[in-house]
Amino acid sequence: NAGVTQTPKFRVLKTGQSMTLLCAQDMNHEYMYWYRQDPGMGLRLIHYSVGEGTTAKGEVPDGYNVSRLKKQNFLLGLESAAPSQTSVYFCASRTDRGGSYNEQFFGPGTRLTVL
Amino acid sequence: RKEVEQDPGPFNVPEGATVAFNCTYSNSASQSFFWYRQDCRKEPKLLMSVYSSGNEDGRFTAQLNRASQYISLLIRDSKLSDSATYLCVVNSLYSGGGADGLTFGKGTHLIIQP
Repeated sequence: NAGVTQTPKFRVLKTGQSMTLLCAQDMNHEYMYWYRQDPGMGLRLIHYSVGEGTTAKGEVPDGYNVSRLKKQNFLLGLESAAPSQTSVYFCASRTDRGGSYNEQFFGPGTRLTVL
Repeated sequence: RKEVEQDPGPFNVPEGATVAFNCTYSNSASQSFFWYRQDCRKEPKLLMSVYSSGNEDGRFTAQLNRASQYISLLIRDSKLSDSATYLCVVNSLYSGGGADGLTFGKGTHLIIQP
């Protein structure tokens, strides 16, 4: 199993450009998450999904959109990139079976720079 | 007040020493508690859950004090490979953190010196 994979690993954008980050998991997990991590900050939740076809806002959703058309994929879109969106983006997933909490498994991250 | 607070460090510790990290959380309704480890430029990985009675996993011991809203992690006989950032993570209902309300601390940076 590959676990959680993210594409691309690195990207440089100019202000105003758009892009989509892809997250894929092969563990048949129901829940998927997008976080951003900035220097000196904890991970902050952008959007999440509790199942195929569902999405919801997290702590810092502005400037981002997401889609979960297939259970294994969770896409994060930036319609008009801004320098404030320069960050490391992590995707995570977890199962919904077994207990009140299940471990979140993280992808390797995407390093995005917006000039 | 920040929801999860940690001393950012860095903690510079000689190999073989014992080191302890602390974390405080603000939401008294918090239900579950964890320590994640994050290596430089890598993704976070679960180190261990934290239970009310305290729990141990090899050289690592985690403690929870619900009354003081305080979590700790103790590492004994530290190894060079323990160098990493340790994230305190709290699972709270209604924290806005998502389906299971995970809130991450900013992390404590540990450097084990030979």
